[in-house]
Amino acid sequence: QAQLVESGGGVVQPGGSLRLSCAASGYMFTIYGMHWVRQAPGKGLEWLTFIFHDGSKKYYADSVQGRFTISRDNSRNTVSLQMNNLRAEDTAIYYCVRYNSGRGDYWGQGTLVTVSS
Amino acid sequence: DIQMTQSPSSLSASVGDRVTIACQASQDISNSLNWYQHKPGKAPKLLIYDASTLEVGVPSRFSGSGSGSDFTFTISSLQPEDIATYYCQYTDELLRFTFGPGTRVDLK
Repeated sequence: QAQLVESGGGVVQPGGSLRLSCAASGYMFTIYGMHWVRQAPGKGLEWLTFIFHDGSKKYYADSVQGRFTISRDNSRNTVSLQMNNLRAEDTAIYYCVRYNSGRGDYWGQGTLVTVSS
Repeated sequence: DIQMTQSPSSLSASVGDRVTIACQASQDISNSLNWYQHKPGKAPKLLIYDASTLEVGVPSRFSGSGSGSDFTFTISSLQPEDIATYYCQYTDELLRFTFGPGTRVDLK
């Protein structure tokens, strides 16, 4: 059974940085792409970024382009999200999601990021 | 970019009721449409993929239909554990996700 566990959330001041990690287990990590999706308080789900299984391609939502960077370490079965220049509107629960043939079939429990002074 | 809309934004129903949620894409997306259930404090859960295929382990009271730009999600007999927000989602050619705004389902 696949499992995804996010970590690295916390409280950060506006303009600050944070790095989220997602540890994958229970499946062959190296053959699946990975997404990050977030949910701000009282809002719906928002897609942020995607990385191919081998890290060769990455895509970003306009809202985070140039501020967030997705990466993965296939030797450690982890995917990371480096978040720079954080804004109040980045406050949200951040989920990593396994991509499988057009769908997100496994989701982590999420990690909370709060941007506040 | 393709936009997704859902209706209604919220609904209240009784246990045993049939619940239907509509999702519309701004363009033809064939059957590239997934449905998720999201309960507060929990990870979102995939219920339906490719518009009508039930994910393994998901109860058969959940179903999906449609193709092109109009899709429907149905709970045939609402159970108390089905109280959640439901999202439709489209995956584009660059494998980016677009979610609908969500439909909150409450007990009457």
